[in-house]
Amino acid sequence: RKEVEQDPGPFNVPEGATVAFNCTYSNSASQSFFWYRQDCRKEPKLLMSVYSSGNEDGRFTAQLNRASQYISLLIRDSKLSDSATYLCVVNGGNTGGFKTIFGAGTRLFVKA
Amino acid sequence: DAGVTQSPTHLIKTRGQQVTLRCSPKSGHDTVSWYQQALGQGPQFIFQYYEEEERQRGNFPDRFSGHQYPNYSSELNVNALLLGDSALYLCASSLEVGNTDTQYFGPGTRLTVL
Repeated sequence: RKEVEQDPGPFNVPEGATVAFNCTYSNSASQSFFWYRQDCRKEPKLLMSVYSSGNEDGRFTAQLNRASQYISLLIRDSKLSDSATYLCVVNGGNTGGFKTIFGAGTRLFVKA
Repeated sequence: DAGVTQSPTHLIKTRGQQVTLRCSPKSGHDTVSWYQQALGQGPQFIFQYYEEEERQRGNFPDRFSGHQYPNYSSELNVNALLLGDSALYLCASSLEVGNTDTQYFGPGTRLTVL
């Protein structure tokens, strides 16, 4: 089993649609969680951190369920510019520093 | 506010050669992590440097080594290159103070091994 697993995708949605991405992680000692966005042949860029209380940034909402070891990202009112690969990221570590595990990513295509 | 920079942007090497990639962290950051991203996959954690020491390491062989300098910049060295080492190599920086582990990525170095 992979340490971080994401929906395989790709997701093809029309503009204005709501799309949800799911991610599960295997290490219950994981400490922090993020969603990153990666455009083709570019570096990952931080989209948002994920907290148990949930957090929202405009059209984007992220949620963490520690009991189920599950992370989600909801995008409302999809725009063409949302087309990208979305990466689920989990940090954990022993004493000192942290080790980062990325999911394989879910590709999103938003079409007019 | 300078972001994370990496050099070179592209590199072509042959099997068996050695390569050194360089990274300058975001202004004010003191921790550098390195990743390998093969085509169609998520980035894979190689190692992390803080205070000039490697303190976390992923599942990569000893052919992969690194260094961090007093100014927090870092190098990734790969010896005895294999075809499978062809990938995008990403550097990310973060700040240790406050125990924050939010990382910011550089544009990457695309390595091709022939």
